[in-house]
Amino acid sequence: DGGITQSPKYLFRKEGQNVTLSCEQNLNHDAMYWYRQDPGQGLRLIYYSQIVNDFQKGDIAEGYSVSREKKESFPLTVTSAQKNPTAFYLCASSAVDTRLYEQYFGPGTRLTVT
Amino acid sequence: AQSVTQPDIHITVSEGASLELRCNYSYGATPYLFWYVQSPGQGLQLLLKYFSGDTLVQGIKGFEAEFKRSQSSFNLRKPSVHWSDAAEYFCAVRNAGNMLTFGGGTRLMVKP
Repeated sequence: DGGITQSPKYLFRKEGQNVTLSCEQNLNHDAMYWYRQDPGQGLRLIYYSQIVNDFQKGDIAEGYSVSREKKESFPLTVTSAQKNPTAFYLCASSAVDTRLYEQYFGPGTRLTVT
Repeated sequence: AQSVTQPDIHITVSEGASLELRCNYSYGATPYLFWYVQSPGQGLQLLLKYFSGDTLVQGIKGFEAEFKRSQSSFNLRKPSVHWSDAAEYFCAVRNAGNMLTFGGGTRLMVKP
């Protein structure tokens, strides 16, 4: 079955540590996205990538970094510079033609930083 | 700037009753509009989309939505709600950067 996997489902870290969230897709999609979800605020775009080895900042990129070395993979690193990293993180992918806006989402990773 | 407003943070309906979730958008050009559903602790699933043409669009799970340009609205409806419809619903619009701008979500609870 095609889909998006995110691991782990729950992640706990101490303040000051960097942490990397995994996102893998086997949908053969060129575009991948990272969103942050906080209660009552909907989804906010962190980073996106429409092609391997290229990515752009979204609305709330500060304190985050990404890489896109393979089409299937788009890991997100939450750095110690992110002031409020505890949140639910969602990865998504889509085609880059007219179906660009039809995004398919992974199950999410809940990050708790204490 | 583009924005999406979902005025109702929480809605409770009885099983079998009809449902309407409101969505208002702000976008200068012809909007591309979407409704997604999220079950607790899960990712989002696309329910339906509007790009152009017929203003009443049908989606999965018996949902439909109507685009009303004059009201800048794209409300989601279902004639008879099932307990399994309890979830959070997000409206989204394509923005000027060709990305999606999401509303804050409406959490639906279904009473037996």
